[in-house]
Amino acid sequence: ETGVTQSPTHLIKTRGQQVTLRCSSQSGHNTVSWYQQALGQGPQFIFQYYREEENGRGNFPPRFSGLQFPNYSSELNVNALELDDSALYLCASGADTQYFGPGTRLTVL
Amino acid sequence: GEDVEQSLFLSVREGDSSVINCTYTDSSSTYLYWYKQEPGAGLQLLTYIFSNMDMKQDQRLTVLLNKKDKHLSLRIADTQTGDSAIYFCAESFNNNDMRFGAGTRLTVKP
Repeated sequence: ETGVTQSPTHLIKTRGQQVTLRCSSQSGHNTVSWYQQALGQGPQFIFQYYREEENGRGNFPPRFSGLQFPNYSSELNVNALELDDSALYLCASGADTQYFGPGTRLTVL
Repeated sequence: GEDVEQSLFLSVREGDSSVINCTYTDSSSTYLYWYKQEPGAGLQLLTYIFSNMDMKQDQRLTVLLNKKDKHLSLRIADTQTGDSAIYFCAESFNNNDMRFGAGTRLTVKP
């Protein structure tokens, strides 16, 4: 049990829609990272937030955006959904060692 | 392609040792990690090693790091059926960008 929770567990959207995924950590770590894990692949780094500021970004377009709140919970927003956005989205709390939540499985139809 | 490479499958018998191998490309990695993922679940941190170490042992787990060859391995002693899962190797740079391999699916046969 990592103490990292994500909501919702599953989500189905259609192309062109927007989605917001949420993450919170009981430990109150000030660093949160988001990853996309496509089926059969390893997680790909989307971005990281540290003390409410973006602190690094992977190779994802600007329609992937995020927020971190004063209580260090976080949101991942994806606009203009595409079929290839279907994946498991994972958030991780911590810096040197990252503890992952159970993920949100997003299906785009 | 992946910067971190792993073989995709490994099958062992219960009670045997499992060795999962990984190669990475960036010598500036600060930490290297092993994560376990069971079906439908998130990633569980198993162990990690700082890049200036050669070996780390934690109960049934032994991590070996050969920095010259950029090779990382995870040995699981006395492998049990509950160890069946996908194991991911990952490297990190300055606590920021963490890069994962595609994962090795470990199957433990009774």
